[in-house]
This record gives sequence, structure tokens and C-alpha cells, in this order.
Amino acid sequence: DGGITQSPKYLFRKEGQNVTLSCEQNLNHDAMYWYRQDPGQGLRLIYYSQIVNDFQKGDIAEGYSVSREKKESFPLTVTSAQKNPTAFYLCASSVLGQGGDEQFFGPGTRLTVL
Amino acid sequence: GEDVEQSLFLSVREGDSSVINCTYTDSSSTYLYWYKQEPGAGLQLLTYIFSNMDMKQDQRLTVLLNKKDKHLSLRIADTQTGDSAIYFCAERMDSSYKLIFGSGTRLLVRP
Repeated sequence: DGGITQSPKYLFRKEGQNVTLSCEQNLNHDAMYWYRQDPGQGLRLIYYSQIVNDFQKGDIAEGYSVSREKKESFPLTVTSAQKNPTAFYLCASSVLGQGGDEQFFGPGTRLTVL
Repeated sequence: GEDVEQSLFLSVREGDSSVINCTYTDSSSTYLYWYKQEPGAGLQLLTYIFSNMDMKQDQRLTVLLNKKDKHLSLRIADTQTGDSAIYFCAERMDSSYKLIFGSGTRLLVRP
């Protein structure tokens, strides 16, 4: 089955630790995205990548880092510099093209900082 | 600037129609989307509309776009308990791959 997987589903971290969230897609999509969702708010874009080995900052990139070494994978690292990391993190991918360019979302990772 | 606004909550009785509203500020938006999110899950695209259209219908879903007022609505006919979820409106400019999301409307369908 084609789709986007994120792991783990739940993640707990102590303050001061870096943690990496996994996102993998087998849809052969060029573009991948990371969003953060807080209660009662819409999604905010952290980083996005349109091609391997290239990525751009979104609206709230501070305290986060990404890599795009393979087309299928776009891991997100939440660093200790992120002051309020507890949130629900969603990864998405899309075909770069015209038209509706639907973004397909993964099931999300809920990160809690203890 | 870019801003998308939605009301936070809507409650309807099963079998009634639901109308979820959204306003946006950027007149250069070319695509407008409706996504559905069930508890603890990712977002699922329901439908989208191109900015040169006024209406789009897909089974129980009807999207209306008033470009002059920058107002978008999603009507769900014969609402079912399985439609209970959070619905997000989002806009995208043709020059950008970035989606701007509203804060979501929580739809509760009462039996």
C-alpha cells in the first residue's frame, strides 16, 4: 500500500534532549513537509523540501532541523533550542506540479516533553 | 498578509445539513482546500476548489466560493455521526507550495 508513515506515534522527551521524528513515503512524491499542530490552532509549517538535498524554512523553523538525503525520507529533529516542543507533528508529501497538488498527510507523532 | 479564519465549533443533528465557513484575506489565493481530521490522526483532503470557480459539488459535499467577499463554505448534506471531526480550510497561492491553514472547526453530530 502506498502512503506516508510516521514513527513513533507517541514520543516522550526530557528537557534538553534532541529527538528525531521519522517520516517515510512510498508515493514517489518530490515534495515533503513538516507541520506542527497545537490545540485549537491550525497547522504551521516548519520546513519543506521540494527535491533531494534541498529544503527551505517554513514559518516556525527555529529550534528544528531537517535533512533530505533520500526522496522517500524527511526526518525532523527537534533540538533543545525549541522552547516549547510539546505538540502534534504532521508530515506530508505531494507531487510537485500544477492543479490541486494534494498534500497527503501521515498519521502524526505526538511529542511530549517531560 | 495571509490569514485564514474559521469558527471553532459547530453542532448539528444527524440527518441535517452542516455548513462550515471560512474567510481568507489574500486575494491572490488560487486554490482553496477543505481537509478533515479525525481524533489523533492526520489530515485527509476532502475537496478543493480553484479560484475561478464559484461552486463544486462532490456527492454529499458542496463547496461555495465568494471571491469578492473572500468567503469559502463547505456544506455537508445528510450529516452522519461519522462526519464528526475537525475541518480545516486552507489556501494556497499559485506561486507557492505553502498551505495556509485556518484553526479548524470542530463538527459534532448529535444522534
